[in-house]
Amino acid sequence: DTGVSQNPRHKITKRGQNVTFRCDPISEHNRLYWYRQTLGQGPEFLTYFQNEAQLEKSRLLSDRFSAERPKGSFSTLEIQRTEQGDSAMYLCASSSGGQFTYEQYFGPGTRLTVT
Amino acid sequence: AQSVTQLGSHVSVSEGALVLLRCNYSSSVPPYLFWYVQYPNQGLQLLLKYTTGATLVKGINGFEAEFKKSETSFHLTKPSAHMSDAAEYFCAIYQGAQKLVFGQGTRLTINP
Repeated sequence: DTGVSQNPRHKITKRGQNVTFRCDPISEHNRLYWYRQTLGQGPEFLTYFQNEAQLEKSRLLSDRFSAERPKGSFSTLEIQRTEQGDSAMYLCASSSGGQFTYEQYFGPGTRLTVT
Repeated sequence: AQSVTQLGSHVSVSEGALVLLRCNYSSSVPPYLFWYVQYPNQGLQLLLKYTTGATLVKGINGFEAEFKKSETSFHLTKPSAHMSDAAEYFCAIYQGAQKLVFGQGTRLTINP
């Protein structure tokens, strides 16, 4: 069990550029989540996958955001035409099914700075 | 909708003193509650959880929390603080549809 991994750990980009983040969940976990955490706040839910199906999207996920999980393994989160308000920590989490579905295990996050 | 409120954005205690971090919840259904810890520039680590059963739950690093339905609370405690406990702590509630709703966090500082 190597835990949830995220790449890159840090990303600095200029306003208007596109960025893509990757999350690799714990290998046997079929559920994957994206959260966003701004400075001084708790994480906020963005979206959720069960296997390759995206089943839930927050209204926080504007049209500039898109997430995929091809083949039900790793996931990518893309932000198009970044804005300064997108600066945040983007956290990925995964969980297994059954009785432990509520236990979400988080990766180290990708910190995005938009200049 | 379910929600949690953490009382106190910053708590400071002396090393060896009792740690008490407060969390109150709002829920129309029996809640599933969690405490997570976040060290600087790291992700969140699950400390403990309450789903059903025993109302006093023990977690990692000597922390425990008690679910009190009458008070709608789920406060986190540790009898004796250690310098390594300095971190941000988040209370969370399962809202259904596979999402967690987090409080705003409490930053714990340990004084030597």
